[in-house]
Amino acid sequence: DAGVIQSPRHEVTEMGQEVTLRCKPISGHDYLFWYRQTMMRGLELLIYFNNNVPIDDSGMPEDRFSAKMPNASFSTLKIQPSEPRDSAVYFCASSLETDQLQPQHFGDGTRLSIL
Amino acid sequence: DAKTTQPTSMDCAEGRAANLPCNHSTISGNEYVYWYRQIHSQGPQYIIHGLKNNETNEMASLIITEDRKSSTLILPHATLRDTAVYYCIVRVAGKDNYGQNFVFGPGTRLSVLP
Repeated sequence: DAGVIQSPRHEVTEMGQEVTLRCKPISGHDYLFWYRQTMMRGLELLIYFNNNVPIDDSGMPEDRFSAKMPNASFSTLKIQPSEPRDSAVYFCASSLETDQLQPQHFGDGTRLSIL
Repeated sequence: DAKTTQPTSMDCAEGRAANLPCNHSTISGNEYVYWYRQIHSQGPQYIIHGLKNNETNEMASLIITEDRKSSTLILPHATLRDTAVYYCIVRVAGKDNYGQNFVFGPGTRLSVLP
């Protein structure tokens, strides 16, 4: 079975440009998470969705960041305009939540470099 | 405030058991203990979780003390591929309990040595 698929794997762009990161969760999973990982701050939860609806976006750093989930099989994280401090690895994860705890399954991330 | 504390790094000889400790002295009755690991350049990978009983799966064993204030992840026969950062996380049971309730700390960097 395919796991969580993220694209692109690497993105290098100049400051001020719009960046769009994409995620395809595991089929049937009803939760989707976006994380950011940096050396300084570790792995941080940015936002998560349940059944395509954003539940908690308190981790989103600024209004420059936005995330959408138009359907159960696709989500985007957008940064506009991008800044050098946004450079990080961005992970998407999904899970199938029931009354029993279920693990999150992570993609391999998008390594973003803003010059 | 961090809910868990782990040693920064550990070494283990290949083929030996790796025992990774985690302290969670403020854990509440409905919080589970989760373990994930992250191999270089990959996303975190789920290993195991438990509430109060010891758990075992094909990857590892989880030993939780009776007072639940600490736990140990055991990799019975560590291989070089087990070199990774291991995260211990506590999380409240139930849906919609993510957000700040599911936090990855700095973890333990395990180096398996040949």
